[in-house]
Amino acid sequence: DTEVTQTPKHLVMGMTNKKSLKCEQHMGHRAMYWYKQKAKKPPELMFVYSYEKLSINESVPSRFSPECPNSSLLNLHLHALQPEDSALYLCASSPPFPGTSYNEQFFGPGTRLTVL
Amino acid sequence: AQTVTQSQPEMSVQEAETVTLSCTYDTSESNYYLFWYKQPPSRQMILVIRQEAYKQQNATENRFSVNFQKAAKSFSLKISDSQLGDTAMYFCALGVQGAQKLVFGQGTRLTINP
Repeated sequence: DTEVTQTPKHLVMGMTNKKSLKCEQHMGHRAMYWYKQKAKKPPELMFVYSYEKLSINESVPSRFSPECPNSSLLNLHLHALQPEDSALYLCASSPPFPGTSYNEQFFGPGTRLTVL
Repeated sequence: AQTVTQSQPEMSVQEAETVTLSCTYDTSESNYYLFWYKQPPSRQMILVIRQEAYKQQNATENRFSVNFQKAAKSFSLKISDSQLGDTAMYFCALGVQGAQKLVFGQGTRLTINP
């Protein structure tokens, strides 16, 4: 299995809703990432988990709450979002970087989020 | 700090032509990697090609090759015999050994016309 999967593909939510995005990989990767991507822009890093521990939080508002229940699964919990949070949310994973020759990231297909 | 610059926001060529996408970068690190990612309109980001900075030989993957000029900090992507399926956003990215972040350029929107 050489892919990163994300569910759902599309999500529409109101500003008072609580929803979650899910990401899964079975490549044995130990680093997992959440990115936010606006149209025609590069991905913006939000969070990084390394060996199931949060290692990077790019000053993301608390209405986004990541969770890494195990080495294969990454969640992003959403609560009280704003319309400007509408974007494509990408998940990625990469091999354990200590000892590897490069830090290539494998991306999932993304979740298209619309906040009304 | 690392930066990546893609100076061509959009490019358009005819099918079967060769096209070169430009990328320049800046880093003070000695151990780093460079990547070209492709994001078609279907949106999944796919790795096209990678280059380790310590390797002098330019990477190639079938119709895709790079021109890595380390001293000039330049990393261009050449697509030979372009195909309609090459239509996509192309992002140049820099990763530093031991760091977990990739630094992306702003992207080049490439359109291959029939």
